[in-house]
Amino acid sequence: ETGVTQTPRHLVMGMTNKKSLKCEQHLGHNAMYWYKQSAKKPLELMFVYNFKEQTENNSVPSRFSPECPNSSHLFLHLHTLQPEDSALYLCASSQVTGVDTEAFFGQGTRLTVV
Amino acid sequence: GENVEQHPSTLSVQEGDSAVIKCTYSDSASNYFPWYKQELGKRPQLIIDIRSNVGEKKDQRIAVTLNKTAKHFSLHITETQPEDSAVYFCAASKGGSYIPTFGRGTSLIVHP
Repeated sequence: ETGVTQTPRHLVMGMTNKKSLKCEQHLGHNAMYWYKQSAKKPLELMFVYNFKEQTENNSVPSRFSPECPNSSHLFLHLHTLQPEDSALYLCASSQVTGVDTEAFFGQGTRLTVV
Repeated sequence: GENVEQHPSTLSVQEGDSAVIKCTYSDSASNYFPWYKQELGKRPQLIIDIRSNVGEKKDQRIAVTLNKTAKHFSLHITETQPEDSAVYFCAASKGGSYIPTFGRGTSLIVHP
């Protein structure tokens, strides 16, 4: 296993619901990411946290709200989502140093908005 | 920002054939190019990477080539096997902060 764990693995929610995705890494990395993977689309970077500070927000709608309480945990809070938000949400982590290193991905949360 | 184009979107080969996936990038400052393999229902995992100071890298049946002048890099898989069937993503990043930009992915199907 890569040491990046995401929960839940599957989530079905209505458009008026509020839910949260959780990501936890046990690799001692200092950067964590949320990606969205839709059918026939590239992996879309949503948010980046370096040392618990958000450093990138790629024009993501406000109905997605990230939270990084410490360098090991990352959340994605969801509210009033749309059906087109249905996708696989992947969390990843890496060690940001002077040398580019590998990103480790979690298994993903398969989200269906009904 | 960086833009990564990947072709083809789908590649179907017979077992034992070679497979080549090509990517181009737009930012000449990019200097790290990883390739990820994502099997059905699983997470993307790094299979090989190359840095801009190297033109080619090989690991058993997998090789990656980089042409910095043309800003393109390719993944080569020789003697393909059914277990090579997966979606392959190329990516490009730069600097000390690893925030890769991914290509759209190539669905490789190896027929036994």
